[in-house]
Amino acid sequence: NAGVTQTPKFQVLKTGQSMTLQCAQDMNHNSMYWYRQDPGMGLRLIYYSASEGTTDKGEVPNGYNVSRLNKREFSLRLESAAPSQTSVYFCASRPDRGFYGYTFGSGTRLTVV
Amino acid sequence: DAKTTQPNSMESNEEEPVHLPCNHSTISGTDYIHWYRQLPSQGPEYVIHGLTSNVNNRMASLAIAEDRKSSTLILHRATLRDAAVYYCIRGIYFGNEKLTFGTGTRLTIIP
Repeated sequence: NAGVTQTPKFQVLKTGQSMTLQCAQDMNHNSMYWYRQDPGMGLRLIYYSASEGTTDKGEVPNGYNVSRLNKREFSLRLESAAPSQTSVYFCASRPDRGFYGYTFGSGTRLTVV
Repeated sequence: DAKTTQPNSMESNEEEPVHLPCNHSTISGTDYIHWYRQLPSQGPEYVIHGLTSNVNNRMASLAIAEDRKSSTLILHRATLRDAAVYYCIRGIYFGNEKLTFGTGTRLTIIP
């Protein structure tokens, strides 16, 4: 089925460990986004990519890096995880032409202990 | 910065209409109103959007005030599956806009 796929769905890390969250979309969208959602709060933008090879910071980029590997894939890396990064992470994509809503993945629930 | 105001929570009876309000008093002339909803344990999903005129789709209707300072998302006949957090967002129509999500309205449907 067409959509945004995120892996893994759940992850527990120890403080200081690193990991990469994977996101892939099969809708040929140029724009891709990474958001985080803390309990009881709205989504906050971490990074976004307007096209392959370009990335820009969002509202809360500290502690994260991203890679737009190709048009389909946009990964989020935590180099040294901290408990403050415990959150649910959502990847999203949207096309450039006309208006279509964002398509979100089902999220990665990350706990840093 | 994009800013909207919504009630934290609302309740509605099943099979009755639901009116979810949103205030956006500082909206600019080119900002659209977007609505998304987030079902439990899922990512947000697009519901509807509009600029000045009322809009309808298979999911909902959007009523926009004449002065555009407020809008209302209307679910015509709520079901238990409509229980979700509903986000009202203002943003440009297309291009590389970055949607800013607030805390939304948590809608509870009473059987």
